[in-house]
Amino acid sequence: SAVISQKPSRDICQRGTSLTIQCQVDSQVTMMFWYRQQPGQSLTLIATANQGSEATYESGFVIDKFPISRPNLTFSTLTVSNMSPEDSSIYLCSVGGGVSSYNEQFFGPGTRLTVL
Amino acid sequence: EDKVVQSPLSLVVHEGDTVTLNCSYEVTNFRSLLWYKQEKKAPTFLFMLTSSGIEKKSGRLSSILDKKELFSILNITATQTGDSAVYLCANRNAGGTSYGKLTFGQGTILTVHP
Repeated sequence: SAVISQKPSRDICQRGTSLTIQCQVDSQVTMMFWYRQQPGQSLTLIATANQGSEATYESGFVIDKFPISRPNLTFSTLTVSNMSPEDSSIYLCSVGGGVSSYNEQFFGPGTRLTVL
Repeated sequence: EDKVVQSPLSLVVHEGDTVTLNCSYEVTNFRSLLWYKQEKKAPTFLFMLTSSGIEKKSGRLSSILDKKELFSILNITATQTGDSAVYLCANRNAGGTSYGKLTFGQGTILTVHP
C-alpha cells in the first residue's frame, strides 16, 4: 500500500484566514482525492485532484473556497480559503481507485482543523 | 444519488463477544464496496469486496458481499478492546466522471468493554 503523509497534522486558525494542507505519497499515483469529515459526520468527497489539469469538484464544493494543486504524481495541496467555524473538520487525502476502480484506496493521517 | 446505510449506528459489547456490522447500499453503477476502521483521524483500510459470496478474511475480521440483496456484513469474532473504533462502509462508483469516488455510510461506533 502507498505511504501517505499530510502536513500539518492539526491547526487552529482564525476566521477569514486560509490554510494550505499538503499531501505527499511515496509512489506515483494516478488518482488523489480530498475528503472532509465534519464533527460527528462521515467522510464526504471534496474533489478529485488531477495531475496536469484542474481538479474535479463535487456538488457543494467550489474552487474559490477549496483551491487544489496537483503539480506531479506524488503531491497535492488543498487550501481552505476565507475560513469560518463551519470549516472546522478533519481533512483527508486519499489515493487509489483509478480508471478500473478495482484498486484499493488508502487515506493519509488527516489534518484536524479548528477555526475560531 | 448513491446511498450507503450502516446499522447499527452504535454497539456496545464485552471482550470475547462476536459482532456483525451491516451495510446496505443503493448505487447506480456499483464497482466495489470497501470497509474501513477509524480510530482517530485516518480510516484504515480493511477489505475491498467486488464479487458476491466470496468471504474476505483477516484474522478475527471477515466480510462478505451480496450484490443481489445489495448489502455487506463485517464480522468481528472474539472482540478485544482494541477493536473499539468507528467502522465505515463505502461504495466505489464506477460511472462517468465519478469513478473512484467513495460514498460513505454514517459509520458504526463499536465500543468493546473489558
